[in-house]
Amino acid sequence: ETGVTQTPRHLVMGMTNKKSLKCEQHLGHNAMYWYKQSAKKPLELMFVYNFKEQTENNSVPSRFSPECPNSSHLFLHLHTLQPEDSALYLCASSGQWRGYTFGSGTRLTVV
Amino acid sequence: GQQVMQIPQYQHVQEGEDFTTYCNSSTTLSNIQWYKQRPGGHPVFLIQLVKSGEVKKQKRLTFQFGEAKKNSSLHITATQTTDVGTYFCAGQPNNAGNMLTFGGGTRLMVKP
Repeated sequence: ETGVTQTPRHLVMGMTNKKSLKCEQHLGHNAMYWYKQSAKKPLELMFVYNFKEQTENNSVPSRFSPECPNSSHLFLHLHTLQPEDSALYLCASSGQWRGYTFGSGTRLTVV
Repeated sequence: GQQVMQIPQYQHVQEGEDFTTYCNSSTTLSNIQWYKQRPGGHPVFLIQLVKSGEVKKQKRLTFQFGEAKKNSSLHITATQTTDVGTYFCAGQPNNAGNMLTFGGGTRLMVKP
């Protein structure tokens, strides 16, 4: 257990499905992140939230929609994904001047 | 935008040999961090270097931050099979808040 909990651990979804990934941290961190990890791009930043406000959207397609209802929770809503979106999706959190704490990730397969 | 390059991409070593991975940033950094990701796992924070020329040790691991605060290295002495994994450096530019730019990682494989 890392202090950052991600669910589900594995997800298989069809291209027409809608699903959500959940991330939760109770470390008192003020920033939360979504990363995509695939063989082609090892750690690709998707979104950054600071104190619940989105401060970075790294040109992510609109089929990925983040939501941050409070400083402890972060969601990634998925709809009409493509097979090339199959990857490990990692959530991370950080406090001031500290390293990131990553969750265990959600292994997503789009069929 | 800022880029962080890491070499080599892969390294095979015999158990007991030394290993080094190098990290180079296109811009001056506020600090640099190192992470380890075991096969099938997630990245785990190892260390943060802040000062120019800083050297830190964790048992067999030695981390260095360059004088110009644009490059860094991780050296492992006498590798063990437990060292297997991918090592990522991550640079935090000045005035970037808590944003990190990750290098591509070096995958270390150790033959027993």
